[in-house]
Amino acid sequence: DTGVSQDPRHKITKRGQNVTFRCDPISEHNRLYWYRQTLGQGPEFLTYFQNEAQLEKSRLLSDRFSAERPKGSFSTLEIQRTEQGDSAMYLCASSSSGRTYEQYFGPGTRLTVT
Amino acid sequence: GNSVTQMEGPVTLSEEAFLTINCTYTATGYPSLFWYVQYPGEGLQLLLKATKADDKGSNKGFEATYRKETTSFHLEKGSVQVSDSAVYFCALATQGGSEKLVFGKGTKLTVNP
Repeated sequence: DTGVSQDPRHKITKRGQNVTFRCDPISEHNRLYWYRQTLGQGPEFLTYFQNEAQLEKSRLLSDRFSAERPKGSFSTLEIQRTEQGDSAMYLCASSSSGRTYEQYFGPGTRLTVT
Repeated sequence: GNSVTQMEGPVTLSEEAFLTINCTYTATGYPSLFWYVQYPGEGLQLLLKATKADDKGSNKGFEATYRKETTSFHLEKGSVQVSDSAVYFCALATQGGSEKLVFGKGTKLTVNP
């Protein structure tokens, strides 16, 4: 078990560009979460997958954001037409249905929009 | 909606001092409560949890008791070490649905030798 991994760890992009982040959860975990954390704040929920189905999305997730989890394995989070307000740390977490309260977090992807 | 309020930092202590970080919550139903810790340069790690009233979560010398009557889950440690320097987050999750975590803003703890 290598834990939750995220790629890239850092991304700098210009306003208006599209970016995509990847999350690889712990292999046996069927639940996957995306959170966003800005400086000085706690993480805020963005979206949730159970297996390949996206079952919940936060109001924070504007239509510029889209997430997928094909085949219930890794997940991608895409931000289109990035804005400076999108600058944040994007965190991925996974858990298993049997122990849903124990979410394991990845190291995060830090996005800077210039 | 559900929310978590925790003591604002930063908190600076000397080694072997007693630590308390206050956390209160607002939630519908009966949430599970958590403390997560983020060490410098690392990801969030679950420190301890409690899933029902009067439960005490404990790990690495840290403790927190789920107090339903005061809607609180304060984090305590009797004797902090320099290695405890980190940001601590209180969080809750309600049963059913996504069981997503709702976090407080975090409290930065610095322990000096």
